[in-house]
Amino acid sequence: QQPVQSPQAVILREGEDAVINCSSSKALYSVHWYRQKHGEAPVFLMILLKGGEQKGHEKISASFNEKKQQSSLYLTASQLSYSGTYFCGTYRGDSGNTPLVFGKGTRLSVIA
Amino acid sequence: GAVVSQHPSRVICKSGTSVKIECRSLDFQATTMFWYRQFPKQSLMLMATSNEGSKATYEQGVEKDKFLINHASLTLSTLTVTSAHPEDSSFYICSAYRAGGVGYTFGSGTRLTVV
Repeated sequence: QQPVQSPQAVILREGEDAVINCSSSKALYSVHWYRQKHGEAPVFLMILLKGGEQKGHEKISASFNEKKQQSSLYLTASQLSYSGTYFCGTYRGDSGNTPLVFGKGTRLSVIA
Repeated sequence: GAVVSQHPSRVICKSGTSVKIECRSLDFQATTMFWYRQFPKQSLMLMATSNEGSKATYEQGVEKDKFLINHASLTLSTLTVTSAHPEDSSFYICSAYRAGGVGYTFGSGTRLTVV
């Protein structure tokens, strides 16, 4: 089951904030976030594990609510380099070493 | 650590020919690798799971006789697109799971164009 991402696309001015949501219809073991720039492979941002913890990576952080089967990615004070398509991924099975299934992606454009 | 090398990065081939794409884990052993395909402006779609020393597991709708996967060692998986057609043109990406690692590591991708 493919996780559902929202919004599909967002345009920001430099310095603005954005939130990207990812939800699943099945119980989640973890949520992975990746960013992909045009013509390149996805780059790993972070993984959220059970426990509702919030992780951060520079000015990008994320939360995971396992009860709601949701994760949100927070981008604060966005920079031009944040532009790209963001994908959330969830394990098909209950643990690692099973394939990641990705959402359809959220296209983020940061303009000056 | 956890580097995955994928070659070639770009390939153009004639319709009806075969193309081999290599995916290597450089600094770790990968018993399992995954092959994805991505069409323009779409998500990554899993094609198959490649297991070292055994047959690959293909996703529904993926032709196993067309997309041959070989995982002969703990560091190398190959995807061969046989009798390629223009509709096979896509971005192919491999990824590997590293036991004890964090997340999956992706190769740099191969853009295949069939003319």
